[in-house]
Amino acid sequence: QQQVKQSPQSLIVQKGGISIINCAYENTAFDYFPWYQQFPGKGPALLIAIRPDVSEKKEGRFTISFNKSAKQFSLHIMDSQPGDSATYFCAASSRFDYKLSFGAGTTVTVRA
Amino acid sequence: DGGITQSPKYLFRKEGQNVTLSCEQNLNHDAMYWYRQDPGQGLRLIYYSQIVNDFQKGDIAEGYSVSREKKESFPLTVTSAQKNPTAFYLCASTLDWGRTDTQYFGPGTRLTVL
Repeated sequence: QQQVKQSPQSLIVQKGGISIINCAYENTAFDYFPWYQQFPGKGPALLIAIRPDVSEKKEGRFTISFNKSAKQFSLHIMDSQPGDSATYFCAASSRFDYKLSFGAGTTVTVRA
Repeated sequence: DGGITQSPKYLFRKEGQNVTLSCEQNLNHDAMYWYRQDPGQGLRLIYYSQIVNDFQKGDIAEGYSVSREKKESFPLTVTSAQKNPTAFYLCASTLDWGRTDTQYFGPGTRLTVL
């Protein structure tokens, strides 16, 4: 049973467009929400992360929006580039067991 | 360069064979993890080790075994009891248990059962 539900499974966006990936969770003990980026045949790499004391965090073209009351968080990729084509995973962990629970992943394809 | 190395990159196994996947890190991290990745299912935790000589089962430990005799090494054995072992296996480490914000992944090993 997946503790973090991620959507969509895949998306295609034009170069310069905005990619939006959504995640939802049920465990209110979660207090750390990272996003990982994975290229084919490689291991995931941490992209950006947020804690529930803030509603938004931005790093370059990547922004996390966090809605604690709705138990949802999302990744926005602004001005999407072909090099952003990858699989993105959301995840969550709590201070009680420190194990990351991952979403199923979203494959993003950016068309030039 | 500090990081995690996994070997081999590709591994083929015949039915009934045990195989061992290697994971080495030079990050001086205390905690290490093994995940399995299948298409459309995200990453699932197989085993984790908080410290040397200690390890715990994750969510899908059946058919797998591990050891943690050295801080830098955390090998995973896929036994013949694992009914569907074909997958992409990822090793990871964190500075210590509780620091999920320091989690690094290795490049992975793709295991195929023939």
